[in-house]
Amino acid sequence: QSVLTQPPSVSAAPGQKVTISCSGSSSNIGNNYVSWYQHLPGTAPQLLIYDNDKRPSGIPDRFSGSKSGTSATLDITGLQTGDEADYYCESWDGSLSAVLFGGGTKLTVL
Amino acid sequence: EVQLLESGGGLVQPGGSLRLSCAASGFSFSNNAMSWVRQAPGKGLEWVSGFSGGGNTYYADSVKGRFSISRDTSKNTLYVQMNSLRVEDTALYYCAKRKCSGGNCRGFDYWGQGTLVTVSS
Repeated sequence: QSVLTQPPSVSAAPGQKVTISCSGSSSNIGNNYVSWYQHLPGTAPQLLIYDNDKRPSGIPDRFSGSKSGTSATLDITGLQTGDEADYYCESWDGSLSAVLFGGGTKLTVL
Repeated sequence: EVQLLESGGGLVQPGGSLRLSCAASGFSFSNNAMSWVRQAPGKGLEWVSGFSGGGNTYYADSVKGRFSISRDTSKNTLYVQMNSLRVEDTALYYCAKRKCSGGNCRGFDYWGQGTLVTVSS
């Protein structure tokens, strides 16, 4: 069971918006930055969001991140079938001195 | 262009050892934070071990005392020595580069394709 908690799955129709949550504690999300990754089967994970809400170059603005307290959120708007993937949040935990990943959320675009 | 190429995976018996390598290119390896991240079959991503930008090493509790991370800056190569391997260490092991700016490193911006480790009798 992951220290960072994500819903196992979310789904929405093409063109719609979906929100993926990531819940942690003061030792991780509450006092450290959050990153988000997209992981398609058979490929390397891709960084979507870093520093809570920043996008690396090349990531479309359909992907956005935010953080409040000990929780973070990834929003994906204008859903496309190509967005079907597993999504992970990640943060440093100062108490564990370790990087933590959430358990992952499988996005299905209906 | 940043490239990370893992090697060294394979089949090993429980209790055995294996050393994975990650050859890096396209960035300043010696100044950058790096990590190993794994994904067991049907499971999510799990951080295993890493170097900070300042050269400190960190380990997940699940591998502490059994795995040892190291690097050779003359070869731009990251290693992880895995001893006392268990069935539950079976996974695809990725090498990942931390996104660093001004001494702060957050997020993994480049990943290798992974090398498969299977621990089985």
